[in-house]
Amino acid sequence: DTGVSQDPRHKITKRGQNVTFRCDPISEHNRLYWYRQTLGQGPEFLTYFQNEAQLEKSRLLSDRFSAERPKGSFSTLEIQRTEQGDSAMYLCASSSTEQETQYFGPGTRLLVL
Amino acid sequence: GNSVTQMEGPVTLSEEAFLTINCTYTATGYPSLFWYVQYPGEGLQLLLKATKADDKGSNKGFEATYRKETTSFHLEKGSVQVSDSAVYFCALSDRGGSYIPTFGRGTSLIVHP
Repeated sequence: DTGVSQDPRHKITKRGQNVTFRCDPISEHNRLYWYRQTLGQGPEFLTYFQNEAQLEKSRLLSDRFSAERPKGSFSTLEIQRTEQGDSAMYLCASSSTEQETQYFGPGTRLLVL
Repeated sequence: GNSVTQMEGPVTLSEEAFLTINCTYTATGYPSLFWYVQYPGEGLQLLLKATKADDKGSNKGFEATYRKETTSFHLEKGSVQVSDSAVYFCALSDRGGSYIPTFGRGTSLIVHP
């Protein structure tokens, strides 16, 4: 078991470009969560999936953000028309239905110039 | 709504000093409480947790007791090491099915040799 992995670890993009991040959860976990973390703050919930179903979305997830988990395994988070305010660390976590404990990946750090 | 308040950092200590990081919370119902640790360049790792009043979570010499009467979950360690330098996040989770945690802002700990 290699834990939760995220790709890429770092991304620099220009304002207006689209970016996509990938998260691979722990294989037996059916829940997958996305968070955003800005400097000096704790992680803020964006959305979560149980298997392939997206069950909850935060009001932080604007129309420019979309997340998918097509086969209930890995997930992608896409940001369209990036803005400088999107610069943050994007964290993914996974868990099983019966557990409260979430296991976090190393994050993708996004910088929008 | 739910919220978590942590003492502001950075907390700067010498090696072998006693550590306390304060955490208080506001929640409806009876949440589970967590401490996560984030080492530089890494994702969050669960440090310890407690699921009901008067429970004590412990791991790697760290302890925290779920105090319902004072709505607190303070983190303590009797003798810190340089390797404990990290950011510590207090969090709570409603056991309403989604287990989406609410995080505090984090407290940076710096331990000098």
